[in-house]
Amino acid sequence: AQSVTQLGSHVSVSEGALVLLRCNYSSSVPPYLFWYVQYPNQGLQLLLKYTTGATLVKGINGFEAEFKKSETSFHLTKPSAHMSDAAEYFCAVSVNTGNQFYFGTGTSLTVIP
Amino acid sequence: DTAVSQTPKYLVTQMGNDKSIKCEQNLGHDTMYWYKQDSKKFLKIMFSYNNKELIINETVPNRFSPKSPDKAHLNLHINSLELGDSAVYFCASSQLWEGYTFGSGTRLTVV
Repeated sequence: AQSVTQLGSHVSVSEGALVLLRCNYSSSVPPYLFWYVQYPNQGLQLLLKYTTGATLVKGINGFEAEFKKSETSFHLTKPSAHMSDAAEYFCAVSVNTGNQFYFGTGTSLTVIP
Repeated sequence: DTAVSQTPKYLVTQMGNDKSIKCEQNLGHDTMYWYKQDSKKFLKIMFSYNNKELIINETVPNRFSPKSPDKAHLNLHINSLELGDSAVYFCASSQLWEGYTFGSGTRLTVV
C-alpha cells in the first residue's frame, strides 16, 4: 500500500529564510511524486513533479524538490521565502496506472514579515 | 479558458435537501475525480471515473452518487444532506502521470 507522511502540519519561516517542507512516502514500487499548493479559498495547483530521470526537480515560484530513494523522501525547498508563499502544501504519490494519487495531510506554511 | 470548472462555487442548503455539483474539463483527460476536503484540509478521494467508467468508489455514504455522461463531465449528486456533509468538494482530472488539475472547489454548507 502507498502512503504519504508530511512532517509538521504547521511551519513558520521569516521572509527571506529557507523554506523546507518534509515529505516521506511508502511505496513498494517506484513512485511518482508531486507537490501541490493551495492558496486560501482556491483549488490545488501543481508545483512540481518527479516521474523519472533527474532526481532534483524544479517547479514554479522558485520551489524545488529532490527525490531520495534511499530515504524515501521528497522534501520541498525554496531558498528565500516570500510573503506570497503562505499557503497549504500537499505532497502526493502515485503508482501503477497513475489514476490514483495518495495525498499527505498537508503542511500550512506561514511567512513572517 | 478554465481547464476544470465546477459549479456552483458556494452552496448553502438545509438538512434533508438534495443537491448537485457539476464539473467539466476541457483538457481531454480520460480520468476525473471527486475529492472531499474537510475543515482540517484533509483530502479524501470519493470517486474516480476513467472514460465514463467508475474505477474508484471509496467508502462514502450511498447518498452520494456520481454520474459521468461523457469523459469531459463528472457530476456529483447528494441526497438527504446532513450537517456532516459540509466541506469543500473538489473535482479534478488527470492523464496518466501528468498530475491532477483541480477545479476551484465547491464550498457546501449544510444548515
